[in-house]
Amino acid sequence: SYDLTQPPSVSVSPGQTASVTCSGDKLGDKYACWYQQKPGQSPVLVIYEDSKRPSGIPERFSGSNSGNTATLTISGTQAMDEADYYCQAWHSSTAGVFGTGTKVTVL
Amino acid sequence: EVQLVESGGGIVQPGGSLRLSCAASGFTFSSYWMHWVRQAPGKGLVWVSRINSDGSSTTYADSVKGRFTNSRDNAKNTLYLQMNSLRVEDTAIYYCARENIAARGVSLDYWGQGILVTVSS
Repeated sequence: SYDLTQPPSVSVSPGQTASVTCSGDKLGDKYACWYQQKPGQSPVLVIYEDSKRPSGIPERFSGSNSGNTATLTISGTQAMDEADYYCQAWHSSTAGVFGTGTKVTVL
Repeated sequence: EVQLVESGGGIVQPGGSLRLSCAASGFTFSSYWMHWVRQAPGKGLVWVSRINSDGSSTTYADSVKGRFTNSRDNAKNTLYLQMNSLRVEDTAIYYCARENIAARGVSLDYWGQGILVTVSS
């Protein structure tokens, strides 16, 4: 099976930069995407194709993917960014795979 | 406006069956690949299944293979998930989601509100 591992939690002060990592074997050879999920809500796509932002997603969200790690970066983090974040990639044998999820707390 | 609305959830006994529906509107449903994703209470997202645009090809997670069937009716703009031989561990919120047609790789750009399926005796 193919696994994507994320840190369980990341804490950040308002206005600072939060980085969330997603690790998987040769993940850089695939396209990664990221979802934001707030309590009681459906997930929202915030990054696709490693680094592209869907319409309506603020510029403070950015992404990268190389080697075995994809990274979601939130610059100038705001209180409204507090949420769970999940990475996802498509693997030839395991198909759709989500990361373990990271709770981002804005202190 | 793109909308995905799930229905058909509820409480079912272990070994039972349930069929979920996902009504799509606001886009050309027949052009998009569609997915089901689930989330057990308090847990993370788990991918369940994918179906291509004309319904001729499906892919499943190992955990549901042989028990769940993903299908669609493009004339009715509706996606279905037939769930048989349900287990307690299938208890989750089930989301239908649209695959992003403009992207390389697989990403899900619109999600339904989710529907709760509880498997319990």
